[in-house]
Amino acid sequence: QVQLVQSGAGVKKPGASVMLSCKASGYTFTSYFIHWVRQAPGLGLEWLGTINPGSGGTAYAQSFQDRVTVTRDTPTSTVYMELGSLRSEDTAVYFCAREMSPGHFDYWGQGTLVTVSS
Amino acid sequence: QTVVTQEPSLTVSPGGTVTLTCASSTGAVTSNYYSNWFQQKPGQTPRALIYTTSNKHSWTPARFSGSLLGGKAALTLSGVQPEDEAEYYCLLHYGNFWMFGGGTKLTVL
Repeated sequence: QVQLVQSGAGVKKPGASVMLSCKASGYTFTSYFIHWVRQAPGLGLEWLGTINPGSGGTAYAQSFQDRVTVTRDTPTSTVYMELGSLRSEDTAVYFCAREMSPGHFDYWGQGTLVTVSS
Repeated sequence: QTVVTQEPSLTVSPGGTVTLTCASSTGAVTSNYYSNWFQQKPGQTPRALIYTTSNKHSWTPARFSGSLLGGKAALTLSGVQPEDEAEYYCLLHYGNFWMFGGGTKLTVL
């Protein structure tokens, strides 16, 4: 069965970076896009960026363009998201989600909490 | 600055019908926006309900349907159940980026 298992949460200091991972299983990793979405406490969902695991091509939300990098490691079927220059407003639960075909979002990771605090 | 707008809150009676909408600041939402709808209950991961405007997942209850209505993406719940009380988010595609609406808190009362 399709699974997206996330890891890498924790407490980070302002100005630091965090790298989160999303390990995919149960399907052909290179066939479907992976997206990153976050949710600050009590707020809505926010799209951060995406990667085509087959080509490595990426796209990012304009407001995160200079701070976020999404990469993949094909042998381990893992997608990574690094967010730099952390500030308190980056405190959120971060999710990865699969896009099975254009516009067809289906499975989500369980989410990981990143807390930015001095 | 692109903005996706949803009703902040709606209330519906059990067994009733309610339509949630999703508007884009860029103009009418069409099938090219690949609209998706997600349900999120407190403390849970979002669950996909509808993709590419009107397509249901295998797990989507039959009472949920997606459409385009008056230039907006729409999610209609017919025969609402108490367990449908949740936050609902739409997601639209803008070529090289995606954007969520602010969410609609649906209360079943």
